[in-house]
Amino acid sequence: AQRVTQPEKLLSVFKGAPVELKCNYSYSGSPELFWYVQYSRQRLQLLLRHISRESIKGFTADLNKGETSFHLKKPFAQEEDSAMYYCALAKGGGSNYKLTFGKGTLLTVNP
Amino acid sequence: DGGITQSPKYLFRKEGQNVTLSCEQNLNHDAMYWYRQDPGQGLRLIYYSQIVNDFQKGDIAEGYSVSREKKESFPLTVTSAQKNPTAFYLCASSIASIPSQPQHFGDGTRLSIL
Repeated sequence: AQRVTQPEKLLSVFKGAPVELKCNYSYSGSPELFWYVQYSRQRLQLLLRHISRESIKGFTADLNKGETSFHLKKPFAQEEDSAMYYCALAKGGGSNYKLTFGKGTLLTVNP
Repeated sequence: DGGITQSPKYLFRKEGQNVTLSCEQNLNHDAMYWYRQDPGQGLRLIYYSQIVNDFQKGDIAEGYSVSREKKESFPLTVTSAQKNPTAFYLCASSIASIPSQPQHFGDGTRLSIL
């Protein structure tokens, strides 16, 4: 069964410091991985997906199949990055489709 | 303005009552989903629908029921059989239920037991 683990429930950094939110997964096939973010009083929204290989709001995430990880990184954190972050893994299709979420990491960026 | 609309924002239920949560989307998406969000638990899938008149159980379907009579609507009924219904419920949609397609979420409905 697929599983997504976000080992840190809470993460606190200072503005301008680098930040890394960890995500590890277990899945035997080729995963499709996503990071979703929920800012205060806003709806859950897609931040980035590994197939796009893009940087959104300064965040990047690299899929490391050897370590089965998809950590989210930003070199210089901003206060507006404070939010709840969820890593998610999608597999299958049609009736076999499933999107599994990690339990989330609450990031606080202090001034 | 395209998106997903969930209503109501807050809902209260008495013991033994069924209650229905509304989810409407105007994104022309085929697939729709219901999740339950509990503190420290992340999101857990209740039901999903790939297309009109079709739906599948998710990980925690017991005590819930859904229907998909129209493409834009996917209501969730929390029945009296659901023993712990107090939670935050999120509806989502995607173009199709394939791994590469991201999901779009509504604002959620918070259900509480009186």
